Amino acid sequence: DTAVSQTPKYLVTQMGNDKSIKCEQNLGHDTMYWYKQDSKKFLKIMFSYNNKELIINETVPNRFSPKSPDKAHLNLHINSLELGDSAVYFCASSQDLSGELFFGEGSRLTVL
Amino acid sequence: QQQVKQSPQSLIVQKGGISIINCAYENTAFDYFPWYQQFPGKGPALLIAIRPDVSEKKEGRFTISFNKSAKQFSLHIMDSQPGDSATYFCAARSFGGKLIFGQGTELSVKP
Repeated sequence: DTAVSQTPKYLVTQMGNDKSIKCEQNLGHDTMYWYKQDSKKFLKIMFSYNNKELIINETVPNRFSPKSPDKAHLNLHINSLELGDSAVYFCASSQDLSGELFFGEGSRLTVL
Repeated sequence: QQQVKQSPQSLIVQKGGISIINCAYENTAFDYFPWYQQFPGKGPALLIAIRPDVSEKKEGRFTISFNKSAKQFSLHIMDSQPGDSATYFCAARSFGGKLIFGQGTELSVKP
């Protein structure tokens, strides 16, 4: 049973489209994150939520909007996709703000 | 000040050898330093971690050495195996659970 699951695993879309990536964790954790891994494999945090409350919002364009309907889910919606948004997006969760991070397998977004 | 610098970018080691990856940081407020291992097509997974009040931590073939005064820490993989071939990331934890990652090291262990 996958601890942190993301859908879809692959996403290919055209510039200007809107897309969403969904994330669910079954670990009972309070904190969830979105990280972006670029083509050089650099990992950078985008957002974190603790008990559905936004804690970290890095300098991410406001085309990116996270939504946490409950503690087990954190979705990422991206409007007006650009070529530079192509990357692997990882969802992660931790017990709390000081806990170990558990990552999903990633969602590879390709914008054409 | 929020950066973590990792080196080398890539590393080739013979089976049975020692792999050493180094990281340096500036922010003395970081309170936790994990190492993550990532295989192709997978998410990063925690390998080993250390807190700044400890100078060394060993788990099996993996050891973290931590030098607080130099603001440096390193991962040593003893008796490296082909199955250890992966990308390794050091990281440092900041405010709000935020992990700041190093640039990654691609390790290749040759049989």
